[in-house]
Amino acid sequence: DIQMTQSPSTLSASVGDRVTITCRASQTISNWLAWFQQKPGKAPKLLIHRASGLQSGVPSRFSGSGSGTEFSLTISSLQPDDFATYYCQHYYGYPWTFGQGTKVDIK
Amino acid sequence: QVQLQESGPGLVKPSETLSLTCTVSGGFIRNYHWDWIRQPPGKGLEWIGDIKTSGSTNYNPSLENRATISLDMSKNQFSLKLTSVTAADTALYYCATAPEGYGGFPDWGQGTLVTVSS
Repeated sequence: DIQMTQSPSTLSASVGDRVTITCRASQTISNWLAWFQQKPGKAPKLLIHRASGLQSGVPSRFSGSGSGTEFSLTISSLQPDDFATYYCQHYYGYPWTFGQGTKVDIK
Repeated sequence: QVQLQESGPGLVKPSETLSLTCTVSGGFIRNYHWDWIRQPPGKGLEWIGDIKTSGSTNYNPSLENRATISLDMSKNQFSLKLTSVTAADTALYYCATAPEGYGGFPDWGQGTLVTVSS
């Protein structure tokens, strides 16, 4: 199985900060990576597909980059609604696996 | 946007079979895959498996052949059966879907909590 490792596990930030979350795959996955945002008690919400494709309706302050084994999700200016847990997931061969999550909380 | 809704028992006894259904509003779409994902309380997400409208399935080997996903197009539903459950199978179970090759799930159900306990 391909292992997905996110860093950091927790990130404390303030409104207006630029925030970057990293996801590393244990082997190359081309650009078969998605990013999700999850709030307590809610289903995950797709933010980015195919590593850098902004999902319809998602604010442009979210962006994704990377290919191969190294990927990142950047929030250009953190907003109050962005405090949540973020997950990456690969789609390069079965089984699809998720990273362990990165919790973004208020500094 | 595809609307999904999970249903099924919230409590299952150890060693028994967990059965869940996901109802697809508007019906199935060709060239989509229909997935089950779970999340133990306070933990991360685990992909369980998927089924395509062709009927082909894929499963996470971590479930050790206990999972079966099936499709009932006449009822606009797909289902998950998980046999020989233990407390480790206690989780919030989500159904989700995406176009094949999209690389991400844009549509999810709200999730249903299943507790395994005697």
